[in-house]
Amino acid sequence: GQNIDQPTEMTATEGAIVQINCTYQTSGFNGLFWYQQHAGEAPTFLSYNVLDGLEEKGRFSSFLSRSKGYSYLLLKELQMKDSASYLCAVLDSNYQLIWGAGTKLIIKP
Amino acid sequence: DVKVTQSSRYLVKRTGEKVFLECVQDMDHENMFWYRQDPGLGLRLIYFSYDVKMKEKGDIPEGYSVSREKKERFSLILESASTNQTSMYLCASKTGVGVSDTQYFGPGTRLTVL
Repeated sequence: GQNIDQPTEMTATEGAIVQINCTYQTSGFNGLFWYQQHAGEAPTFLSYNVLDGLEEKGRFSSFLSRSKGYSYLLLKELQMKDSASYLCAVLDSNYQLIWGAGTKLIIKP
Repeated sequence: DVKVTQSSRYLVKRTGEKVFLECVQDMDHENMFWYRQDPGLGLRLIYFSYDVKMKEKGDIPEGYSVSREKKERFSLILESASTNQTSMYLCASKTGVGVSDTQYFGPGTRLTVL
């Protein structure tokens, strides 16, 4: 079966760095997405990785290793507004998105 | 900016009622999707549509149907609502051009079935 694993919840301190991991086992791979979802709101796109390596976008970076079935989202200089759930999703061989359950990130002052 | 709107943010219905959830997008996207989101589970695809009048079953279509009569509008129908359909329902759309094209989501409808 297809499976995406992320930690359920993480806590970090304002101004610090946090890494949210995602491991996947899917039938085929056509890329991996990260979305951010604030409580009660719609998910919004953060990043897309299809090649191995690190993609940096401001305070957020996303890493992919296809051979390991692994990705992480790195958030630097954490701000209170970064408190949200972070969703990992993989585009499988049928070009359907398979979603992880999401990681709830709590930022403390 | 892409805008995806859903007809209601909160909805309370009775068991057995027919429920309509509507979604409208303003970016001429070919593809539209209906998901449900439950605590501890990832988004689960109910139905999707890649063109007007076309529909495909997702992972959990049982108890649901959809309608896409116009490109911008995709409706989810619960023929006879049941308590296990209490959930957050999210609509999304994307262009059909590229693999990496992101899905744009509406704000969601929190449906409670009593």
